[in-house]
Amino acid sequence: GAVVSQHPSRVICKSGTSVKIECRSLDFQATTMFWYRQFPKQSLMLMATSNEGSKATYEQGVEKDKFLINHASLTLSTLTVTSAHPEDSSFYICSATKPSRLSTDTQYFGPGTRLTVL
Amino acid sequence: EDQVTQSPEALRLQEGESSSLNCSYTVSGLRGLFWYRQDPGKGPEFLFTLYSAGEEKEKERLKATLTKKESFLHITAPKPEDSATYLCAVQDSNSGGSNYKLTFGKGTLLTVNP
Repeated sequence: GAVVSQHPSRVICKSGTSVKIECRSLDFQATTMFWYRQFPKQSLMLMATSNEGSKATYEQGVEKDKFLINHASLTLSTLTVTSAHPEDSSFYICSATKPSRLSTDTQYFGPGTRLTVL
Repeated sequence: EDQVTQSPEALRLQEGESSSLNCSYTVSGLRGLFWYRQDPGKGPEFLFTLYSAGEEKEKERLKATLTKKESFLHITAPKPEDSATYLCAVQDSNSGGSNYKLTFGKGTLLTVNP
């Protein structure tokens, strides 16, 4: 199996506060973790790629000072949305790559975190 | 630039009515093509990986096939519980170094009526 968890599943915060989202691979060590955001009825948009012990690589247009990523271990990555504003409200999903010697690495996704900024 | 186009955007079927979803892709070098299922308010659930043209994989009522330009997800005798958004994604062997990113299509919203 390949289980990825996210916490919290849902968070409501006031504008200007910071929110931390955790992503854990529960039954495997992930070589890489990815963070996505998804708007209603749209597909997943990659925000950043994260490797344990190194700085995250952000996609074009994603503010690295706004979305802080820490990859503390092979099973844990965190995304902190700093000074959140209503436009940051979205569905945030992480994925973890399970390595395979026989085939390409597969990304397994967490259940997502619904962020609402008031 | 890698591109993935899924069609149709939405599909309504009656229970038992078989059909296919299409995923057309453009990639410099295909490392893998992935199918995921996503239920509302949840993260995508992995279904299949296909690597080379001619490959097929099956899981219950689903069968995925791959050519050099597209992939099909065939749904045989669907049930209401198959209702979900089906996402197709590609990994480009020429991108990302050791971090192989996925490029997603916009998905097909499948509704199966009882």
